[in-house]
Amino acid sequence: AQSVAQPEDQVNVAEGNPLTVKCTYSVSGNPYLFWYVQYPNRGLQFLLKYITGDNLVKGSYGFEAEFNKSQTSFHLKKPSALVSDSALYFCAVRGLNRDDKIIFGKGTRLHILP
Amino acid sequence: DAGITQSPRHKVTETGTPVTLRCHQTENHRYMYWYRQDPGHGLRLIHYSYGVKDTDKGEVSDGYSVSRSKTEDFLLTLESATSSQTSVYFCAISDALTGTGGDGYTFGSGTRLTVV
Repeated sequence: AQSVAQPEDQVNVAEGNPLTVKCTYSVSGNPYLFWYVQYPNRGLQFLLKYITGDNLVKGSYGFEAEFNKSQTSFHLKKPSALVSDSALYFCAVRGLNRDDKIIFGKGTRLHILP
Repeated sequence: DAGITQSPRHKVTETGTPVTLRCHQTENHRYMYWYRQDPGHGLRLIHYSYGVKDTDKGEVSDGYSVSRSKTEDFLLTLESATSSQTSVYFCAISDALTGTGGDGYTFGSGTRLTVV
């Protein structure tokens, strides 16, 4: 069975510092991996995805994520945090089988401190 | 969110009453999904649709039914609402089952449902 874990409920980072939001996954075979962001009272917005190819994926708002197959991780990163990055972040995974569904993690709340 | 709207945005209903939430899209996407979001659980898939009149169950489908009579509309019905169904409900659309087409899933703004 496929699963995704976000080990941190909340991450606090000072503005201007680099940020990392962690995600690990479990899936049979190669995964499709996603990051979404949710601002208050809004739906989720797509940030980036990994399907195949380069392990470093670049997405919206200066975010990037690194796919690490040996560690089954897909951590979200940004070199310099902005206060406006404060939001709820979801990692998601899907296997390659036709019947596989996208599974979302429980979310990590990111606080960027001014 | 562009191309997908949910109605109502907020609803309070009594235990035991039926409730229908509507998701409307203007993107002509084939796949539509209903999720619920609860603290500590993230998003959980309730039902999804892969075409008109073609639907399937997700991981938390008990107590819910769906219908899709037109490409643009996907309805979620709570047959007899219970307090455990108090949640925020999100609709999502995709042009591919994997969510890999374009920008993955596009989500609506959500419906906050309270069952009292």
